[in-house]
Amino acid sequence: QVQLVQSGPEVKKPGASVTVSCKMSPNNFGNNGVNWVRQAPGQGLEWVGWVSGLGRTNSADKFYDRLTMTTSTSTVFMELRSLTSDDTAVYYCARDVDPTNWYEIDFWGQGTQVTVSS
Amino acid sequence: DIQMTQSPSSLSASIGDRVTITCRASQDIKDDLAWYQQKPGKAPTRLIYDASSLQSGVPSRFSGSGSGTEFTLAISSLQPEDSATYYCLQHHAYPPVFGRGSKVEIK
Repeated sequence: QVQLVQSGPEVKKPGASVTVSCKMSPNNFGNNGVNWVRQAPGQGLEWVGWVSGLGRTNSADKFYDRLTMTTSTSTVFMELRSLTSDDTAVYYCARDVDPTNWYEIDFWGQGTQVTVSS
Repeated sequence: DIQMTQSPSSLSASIGDRVTITCRASQDIKDDLAWYQQKPGKAPTRLIYDASSLQSGVPSRFSGSGSGTEFTLAISSLQPEDSATYYCLQHHAYPPVFGRGSKVEIK
């Protein structure tokens, strides 16, 4: 059974940065890409960005200058900088079905609550 | 960017009813569409991929149809455990876009 296990909840002050990790088990991601999706309180799903198995990245325009995504064999990381209260959300990692079908998501992590508050 | 218009935003139906949810794409996305179910406090889970293929382990009362710009998720006989929010996702082109969600409640 594929599992994506994310790091724990974070509380940050405005202007700070946050890093969320996502580890796949029992195997590694291989060359599958990993998406990051967020959900603000009471809102829908919003695609944030994507990192390929080889480290190539794409992100939504609104995040392009403050988002960094990296990958190792079994863990991917998302760093979001210059946080504001609008970034308060649950952040999910979500795996691509295979290396050639970008953004086609099959499995999701359990989510990481990021709260931005002064 | 491709826009996804999902409707209705919410609905209430009785056990055993047939329920349909629609997503319309602003341009042709072939069959590059998936449907997800999300229950409160939980991560989404995939129900349908390639517009009409049923994810392994998902009850057969769920079905997907459509291609191009119009897509439908149907629940043939609504069950209590189907109370959830449903989202479509187009992955045909960058950036991928989710529909705004359809909340299904049981009367």
